[in-house]
Amino acid sequence: DTEVTQTPKHLVMGMTNKKSLKCEQHMGHRAMYWYKQKAKKPPELMFVYSYEKLSINESVPSRFSPECPNSSLLNLHLHALQPEDSALYLCASSQDYNQPQHFGDGTRLSIL
Amino acid sequence: DQQVKQNSPSLSVQEGRISILNCDYTNSMFDYFLWYKKYPAEGPTFLISISSIKDKNEDGRFTVFLNKSAKHLSLHIVPSQPGDSAVYFCAASHGTMIYNQGGKLIFGQGTELSVKP
Repeated sequence: DTEVTQTPKHLVMGMTNKKSLKCEQHMGHRAMYWYKQKAKKPPELMFVYSYEKLSINESVPSRFSPECPNSSLLNLHLHALQPEDSALYLCASSQDYNQPQHFGDGTRLSIL
Repeated sequence: DQQVKQNSPSLSVQEGRISILNCDYTNSMFDYFLWYKKYPAEGPTFLISISSIKDKNEDGRFTVFLNKSAKHLSLHIVPSQPGDSAVYFCAASHGTMIYNQGGKLIFGQGTELSVKP
């Protein structure tokens, strides 16, 4: 069982829709992350939050908008996505940068 | 520019034998290394990690070896079990906020391990 919970597990949306992915952890971790994983590829970092502040944005297009409302929650707001954005979106958290990151099971996103 | 490389896309071993998965990296600033296991339709599961100040870390059946001079790490699984069949990713990071890269994990391409009964 993962201690990082992501909802929804699956999401299908049109290119004009607005939706949000949610991630929650109750391990008291201070760093949270969004990754994108395409089929047969490794996860690629999108954003890092440290103590609820954005610390790394890997040049992600503005149609992806992260938000960290509190230390346990991380959201990824989606708007005007493209078909190539279809992927598995993974959330992770860690106690600190030199501690293991623990991943959720991801949201499988399909853009029509 | 692939900073972390796993050159073997797949590996097949017999149950009870040793599995050795290899990983090479190019960035000498990496100071923290991890191995993850991934089953289909699940997120990566953390297995074991090692700091650059060590050359070996052991946890049960899993041992990670780090050779800094060769920029090489390996994961040994002894004995291998059919339930170990999965894709294994090595990952590397800066453990601290050096050059604004703290917490950024760079993953290798993965090695699919198959353990046959």
